[in-house]
Amino acid sequence: GAVVSQHPSWVICKSGTSVKIECRSLDFQATTMFWYRQFPKQSLMLMATSNEGSKATYEQGVEKDKFLINHASLTLSTLTVTSAHPEDSSFYICSAGTSVYNEQFFGPGTRLTVL
Amino acid sequence: DAKTTQPPSMDCAEGRAANLPCNHSTISGNEYVYWYRQIHSQGPQYIIHGLKNNETNEMASLIITEDRKSSTLILPHATLRDTAVYYCIVRANQAGTALIFGKGTTLSVSS
Repeated sequence: GAVVSQHPSWVICKSGTSVKIECRSLDFQATTMFWYRQFPKQSLMLMATSNEGSKATYEQGVEKDKFLINHASLTLSTLTVTSAHPEDSSFYICSAGTSVYNEQFFGPGTRLTVL
Repeated sequence: DAKTTQPPSMDCAEGRAANLPCNHSTISGNEYVYWYRQIHSQGPQYIIHGLKNNETNEMASLIITEDRKSSTLILPHATLRDTAVYYCIVRANQAGTALIFGKGTTLSVSS
């Protein structure tokens, strides 16, 4: 199956700093990428949907100015957590979809810890 | 909101079949049933999906009732590595449509 990578796999940062997470589709072109957040012992929550070359669509309650999403190419999307605070500590997971495959392919996730 | 209902947890003995049920009574005609699983601290893994016919692949079988209001994922010979949270999701089969996750079923396989 198709492979999606995320970098970094984990990151620790100080409160107030910004963190960028990369999501790459390694062997296919992802027309749409999705970003999810997962808190401990909870399910995945969709944060936003991004299509290559256009602005992301954010779910209700997700601050678009805090979680900046860029999908500049068919193989790369980035999520930047700006001015991170301890409550932003979570497991962030991206997934990619194509017009060819019906299923979405998920990255391995990025564990963010804000001190 | 998730459109599926699953039991919160199930146990299965290693080597036995694991049958995971899912209710999706409000499924629409153009929506497929997808199953994913998530092993602890990893990204979800695709298992199988179907519309109305039963489906089988190397990982599992999917049995969908005739009225499409419920389905069962079958892992024919569960192993310890199948211990995970299993998510049943209904989604329109079109590009750009996100998967909306419910709470899933935590399957524990023991020896």
